[in-house]
Amino acid sequence: GAGVSQSPSNKVTEKGKDVELRCDPISGHTALYWYRQSLGQGLEFLIYFQGNSAPDKSGLPSDRFSAERTGGSVSTLTIQRTQQEDSAVYLCASGQGQVYGYTFGSGTRLTVV
Amino acid sequence: KQEVTQIPAALSVPEGENLVLNCSFTDSAIYNLQWFRQDPGKGLTSLLLIQSSQREQTSGRLNASLDKSSGRSTLYIAASQPGDSATYLCAPYSGTYKYIFGTGTRLKVLA
Repeated sequence: GAGVSQSPSNKVTEKGKDVELRCDPISGHTALYWYRQSLGQGLEFLIYFQGNSAPDKSGLPSDRFSAERTGGSVSTLTIQRTQQEDSAVYLCASGQGQVYGYTFGSGTRLTVV
Repeated sequence: KQEVTQIPAALSVPEGENLVLNCSFTDSAIYNLQWFRQDPGKGLTSLLLIQSSQREQTSGRLNASLDKSSGRSTLYIAASQPGDSATYLCAPYSGTYKYIFGTGTRLKVLA
């Protein structure tokens, strides 16, 4: 596609429920990144994919967080048993090699009530 | 571990002023550095990408410079406009698969 697409754009969920956030990267981009931005905070790295594998999962906050990428394209970030502190904007970015930088999606705003 | 500092944290100026936003980073072994803009409640828009071999990049009223050896980059905005109001983020890339972001400079340009 023309840009990085994330869905849903907004999600309100009850504490304890599971949620799935989706990212469609730019076609042909081999690298995909998930970041989180809590209210008034900077961007927090969560996970990086190169193709379908995740060489760096160091930013995932707990074992309630998981992510996968299939076909070298779409990625899903899953949060199980959501907590109020999971409320944030979840941003996805894709890239094609270190020379070209990132392109970000518009994000998913997650609110846990 | 890369650490990124952006100064000032917030800036409010009248329309038409020329601005300089500063970014410093601790690990100078970077491949490139990207400047982004973030509007409230939105994702990030890439403004300029400077490779480590370059000293500056220009796009319209924006000019970004890079002094890799001293761990500094500046974003210069000429003739600021109210539409420039946003948070500006710098992000150096050290080859550890990810960009590390500063906390940003929140800019408000008054009409």
